[in-house]
Amino acid sequence: DVKVTQSSRYLVKRTGEKVFLECVQDMDHENMFWYRQDPGLGLRLIYFSYDVKMKEKGDIPEGYSVSREKKERFSLILESASTNQTSMYLCASRLDINQPQHFGDGTRLSIL
Amino acid sequence: QQPVQSPQAVILREGEDAVINCSSSKALYSVHWYRQKHGEAPVFLMILLKGGEQKGHDKISASFNEKKQQSSLYLTASQLSYSGTYFCGTDPSGSARQLTFGSGTQLTVLP
Repeated sequence: DVKVTQSSRYLVKRTGEKVFLECVQDMDHENMFWYRQDPGLGLRLIYFSYDVKMKEKGDIPEGYSVSREKKERFSLILESASTNQTSMYLCASRLDINQPQHFGDGTRLSIL
Repeated sequence: QQPVQSPQAVILREGEDAVINCSSSKALYSVHWYRQKHGEAPVFLMILLKGGEQKGHDKISASFNEKKQQSSLYLTASQLSYSGTYFCGTDPSGSARQLTFGSGTQLTVLP
């Protein structure tokens, strides 16, 4: 079974802090994704990566950056956290477009 | 552009049927369906590819009408375990690197 592991289930940070969310997958998938999930808005794509050191912006990249130095690890960075970034963050990985996407359990991030 | 899911929410009793629709303003190459239970990660249900096929396993099936740019998920004889939020994800070209997800349909099955 594919395993996508997110480093924290719950995280509380302060406004202005730099925040790192980590995601690791164990299936050698090329494609990895970061989503934000808010009530009534579904899953919105922040960034994705289709190879090591490659990244592309999703629908809502403002205020975020990503890093993919190794194939199995994809990090989401909030450069200067703000209260409107309080949300559930989901990481996912996939082999290719016609294959299932596998999600992590999510990180519920609160910015105070 | 985000696909539109309908209804936004549905409540039914065990044993009843439900249909969830996913419509796109763009031509579709594939539609992916996921279910997310409260507090858990979304779980893959099925993928439908261009060609109007229908797929299913157990009592959950789906159809894909590329002319209407629409997919429908059918849940028959609902069980309590079907409760959750259902998302469709669409790919317009077959070469897109990412899916665009709808806002979800919350399904509640009561005993």
